[in-house]
Amino acid sequence: EAQVTQNPRYLITVTGKKLTVTCSQNMNHEYMSWYRQDPGLGLRQIYYSMNVEVTDKGDVPEGYKVSRKEKRNFPLILESPSPNQTSLYFCASSFKIPDLGHLNYGYTFGSGTRLTVV
Amino acid sequence: RKEVEQDPGPFNVPEGATVAFNCTYSNSASQSFFWYRQDCRKEPKLLMSVYSSGNEDGRFTAQLNRASQYISLLIRDSKLSDSATYLCVVNEVAGTALIFGKGTTLSVSS
Repeated sequence: EAQVTQNPRYLITVTGKKLTVTCSQNMNHEYMSWYRQDPGLGLRQIYYSMNVEVTDKGDVPEGYKVSRKEKRNFPLILESPSPNQTSLYFCASSFKIPDLGHLNYGYTFGSGTRLTVV
Repeated sequence: RKEVEQDPGPFNVPEGATVAFNCTYSNSASQSFFWYRQDCRKEPKLLMSVYSSGNEDGRFTAQLNRASQYISLLIRDSKLSDSATYLCVVNEVAGTALIFGKGTTLSVSS
């Protein structure tokens, strides 16, 4: 089954304890991205990757790191989590960012990771 | 910062009603447009792409007006299962990220 798999689904951690949220896709997608979703703020992009070894900042990258060593994996790393990083996180992937002539392409999202930092 | 604006709702309608959502985007160079559906605390799922010529998928019709920079979604004969948040999504420039609106909440009651 074609899917984006995130782990863990739920995580409660303490301030300052490094954590990694994994994301893996089995669709050979070039593009992968991380979003966080907070009430009243919608989905905000954290980091994205156009392909292996190519990553770039989104709108809210502070406090996060990513890596793209393989096409299928795009882990999100919080080196020193803080309570303001408590949020619902989604990983997403796509064959390509939609461009002219490929208007039916969108994202496939993972099921989400609910992170609480206390 | 380029924006995608939606009326947050909630829209409360009875079963069988027709409901329309609008969305405006600020960047006239935007190239691709989508509607996503998100159920409570679950991942967004692509509902349909939006083309300039308009497109229909069963009870759902999407329209794009480039001159006025708005996108619409029409749902006919609403079902209880249509209750969800509908996200308007815009791709500004080929090769960059999708920009999500904050969503419009629909509640269909019997």
